[in-house]
Amino acid sequence: DAGVIQSPRHEVTEMGQEVTLRCKPISGHNSLFWYRQTMMRGLELLIYFNNNVPIDDSGMPEDRFSAKMPNASFSTLKIQPSEPRDSAVYFCASSYSDRSSYNEQFFGPGTRLTVL
Amino acid sequence: TQLLEQSPQFLSIQEGENLTVYCNSSSVFSSLQWYRQEPGEGPVLLVTVVTGGEVKKLKRLTFQFGDARKDSSLHITAAQPGDTGLYLCAGRRGGNEKLTFGTGTRLTIIP
Repeated sequence: DAGVIQSPRHEVTEMGQEVTLRCKPISGHNSLFWYRQTMMRGLELLIYFNNNVPIDDSGMPEDRFSAKMPNASFSTLKIQPSEPRDSAVYFCASSYSDRSSYNEQFFGPGTRLTVL
Repeated sequence: TQLLEQSPQFLSIQEGENLTVYCNSSSVFSSLQWYRQEPGEGPVLLVTVVTGGEVKKLKRLTFQFGDARKDSSLHITAAQPGDTGLYLCAGRRGGNEKLTFGTGTRLTIIP
């Protein structure tokens, strides 16, 4: 299995531009998570989906951030407009969850975003 | 508000020494996980503890969940350079599958 795939691995953009991060979860997994990691704030959950439905988006910083999961094999995180304070590493993770247990989250390699 | 505080934040020790990393909270967690993250990669799960007082061993690593399920510790015996990385604890509350990650401990083992 290829694991969780994220693209791009690195993104450098200018303030005000739209940024789209992409994620392909592990086949068969039904939960998908978007995290942001910075030195100051550590690893923070932004939003997660279960069976393609957003369950908890309380970690999304503000309206400039949006996430979609149109099908079980693809998700996007969009920032529009981007700001320098959005610079961070963004991780996507997936897991298989059922009512009886919540299993291991498998993380992708991350997208390092720099907003100038 | 950071629900899970880890200590120490940074730790640098010589190969062969023992060490303990702590993860503390005022909240009760239904389960707690430990992850290790290496530069340029995502975190990788090491262990999950569920029962208060539970102890799990993974080779030279020993994980313990506090009796009240509010804290946890990771003890490494005879540390090796390959143990270098960022160690993260992560707690799950109630029946929620959402994880709250700790502040992290950056460990460096000097050969």
